[in-house]
Amino acid sequence: NAGVTQTPKFRVLKTGQSMTLLCAQDMNHEYMYWYRQDPGMGLRLIHYSVGEGTTAKGEVPDGYNVSRLKKQNFLLGLESAAPSQTSVYFCASSLAAGTAADTQYFGPGTRLTVL
Amino acid sequence: GESVGLHLPTLSVQEGDNSIINCAYSNSASDYFIWYKQESGKGPQFIIDIRSNMDKRQGQRVTVLLNKTVKHLSLQIAATQPGDSAVYFCAENLDYGQNFVFGPGTRLSVLP
Repeated sequence: NAGVTQTPKFRVLKTGQSMTLLCAQDMNHEYMYWYRQDPGMGLRLIHYSVGEGTTAKGEVPDGYNVSRLKKQNFLLGLESAAPSQTSVYFCASSLAAGTAADTQYFGPGTRLTVL
Repeated sequence: GESVGLHLPTLSVQEGDNSIINCAYSNSASDYFIWYKQESGKGPQFIIDIRSNMDKRQGQRVTVLLNKTVKHLSLQIAATQPGDSAVYFCAENLDYGQNFVFGPGTRLSVLP
């Protein structure tokens, strides 16, 4: 049982390049989330999904797209990377949404640098 | 794995002492709160949670106190150990929805 995994762990992009971050969970969770974490700031929600085939915008969705084609995978895409997207990205999953018994389990993170 | 921000408030405590980490939350209507621990190079890890209808909840070596009057949350760690060294942050949630608001965190450093 690997929990939540993320690939890649590190990536350096040039401005304008595109890439996809992959999140996978093996806990059969319905809900999945993408966050970014910047120095001195709390985690900010980019997009989330309440089930296979559904996605929704979070607090900071601009410049990102997501897809949830399979229940266990949640992909985060950057179509045209910008230096402002330099950050550490965390994926999380939960059995349900924010109830007392359904906490979010986080992956190890991906450090993305956009030059 | 990845590291968190470098410019965080830091709390230094002696091994064996008790630690108290504080968090001010923003929304008086928030009704569910979580404390997370984030070790260097790892993702956040759930520690303990509390609902707004409670003012105290205890776990193993940890206690969370909630003061809704002043919108303040605290995490107490008893007999702090070197393995407790990490960044701790709180998260608040409204109506048990998907959107949590996370605080920036406090770095706990345990001195030998």
